[in-house]
Amino acid sequence: DIQMTQSPSSLSASVGDRVTITCRASQTISSYLNWYQQKPGKAPKLLIYAASSLQSGVPSRFSGSGSGTDFTLTVSSLQPDDFATYYCQQSYSPPPTFGGGTKVEIK
Amino acid sequence: QITLKESGLTLVKPTQTLTLTCTFSGFSLTTTGVGVGWIRQPPGKALEWLALIYWNDDKTYSPSLKNRLTITKDTSKNQVVLTMTNMDPVDTATYYCAHRETYCSSTDCYPLFDYWGQGTLVTVSS
Repeated sequence: DIQMTQSPSSLSASVGDRVTITCRASQTISSYLNWYQQKPGKAPKLLIYAASSLQSGVPSRFSGSGSGTDFTLTVSSLQPDDFATYYCQQSYSPPPTFGGGTKVEIK
Repeated sequence: QITLKESGLTLVKPTQTLTLTCTFSGFSLTTTGVGVGWIRQPPGKALEWLALIYWNDDKTYSPSLKNRLTITKDTSKNQVVLTMTNMDPVDTATYYCAHRETYCSSTDCYPLFDYWGQGTLVTVSS
């Protein structure tokens, strides 16, 4: 299985901050990388697919980049609605695997 | 509008078999490329993919749980059923079903889970 490692596991930030979350794959996965946002008690929500494509309806302050083994999710200006846990997921080869999550908390 | 909803017993005893049903609307599981997957999340932990069934009835399973899982579909009822045998307290988790789609660029096709059910918390306890 391909292992997905996210960093940091948690971070504290203020409204308006630029936030970057990193995801590393244990082997190359090209651009087969998705990002999800999850709020407490809710299902995950797809934000980014194919490493950098924004899912319909997702605010443009979210962006994704990377290819191969290293990927980033960036929130350009953190909003109150963005405090949540974020997961990366590889879809390069089965089984699809998720990262351990990054919890974004209010500073 | 695509929706999915999980249903089934929420409390099972150790060694029992869990049966979960995902009832969906807004898409057909006979459409080429479409699938429905199951993903679970133990309390306070990360997401873990379990199984996936495709429009053509192909199935894939988590290697670590393959011997305990069975996924089936009933296209006439718009339902997907997951069974997991020999339940253990470590299987306590919220179980989600999700719509699996594929985005194709000019060169590649990228699978993704774009719609999820609300999840159902399954507790394994005697």
